[in-house]
Amino acid sequence: QSVLTQPPSVSGAPGQKVTISCTGSGPNIGAGYGVHWYQQLPGRAPKLLIYDNTKRPSGVPDRFSGSKSGTSASLAITGLQAEDEADYYCQSYDSNLSVWVFGGGTKMTVL
Amino acid sequence: QKQLQESGPGLVRPSQTLSLTCTVSGGSISSGDYYWSWIRQHPGKGLEWIGHIDHSGSSYHNPSLRSRVAMSVDTSKNHFSLKLKSVTAADTAVYYCASRENADWYFDLWGRGTLVTVSS
Repeated sequence: QSVLTQPPSVSGAPGQKVTISCTGSGPNIGAGYGVHWYQQLPGRAPKLLIYDNTKRPSGVPDRFSGSKSGTSASLAITGLQAEDEADYYCQSYDSNLSVWVFGGGTKMTVL
Repeated sequence: QKQLQESGPGLVRPSQTLSLTCTVSGGSISSGDYYWSWIRQHPGKGLEWIGHIDHSGSSYHNPSLRSRVAMSVDTSKNHFSLKLKSVTAADTAVYYCASRENADWYFDLWGRGTLVTVSS
């Protein structure tokens, strides 16, 4: 069981918008620790997609956006493209466990 | 630009010690600007943070693995290493090294990963 909870899968047609949720609790997201998102293309290493809840590293398209509220966060992808088909992971820090924690991952399928 | 590359045996026998090295290129571990982490991904599963080490050799490990984990850093070779002892099949995973800037809480760069299988 992951400390951060994500839906196992989401899907959308090209051009549509999809959102992926990440639910935590008091010692992690609720404690004010940032939520970060990674994209893992098939057979590849994770790549930083969103950091500090809403910021995009250089080179990440603005189709990707993040938000956070309370003990949850979300990743939104607009204008869905076939190349967005990947696994997406959220990540934060848990002060009770004293470890960096990840969500279980969400497989995003482009229909 | 900075790159990370894992290396080590792809097959380890049960009860033995898993040893991996991550070589940093395009940047210096000695700069002291980063924490150097190990993260693993069990086949078809999510990500698990193993621990990190800094340029001085100070390390911190996931309490769930702490008794079996050792990390070291060699600034002259610009690499850092992981040792996981008494491995079982449950340690079969892709192992990634990753970097995290000192003031940040996310991993900005990852190595390609290396699959380690524990089997007799």
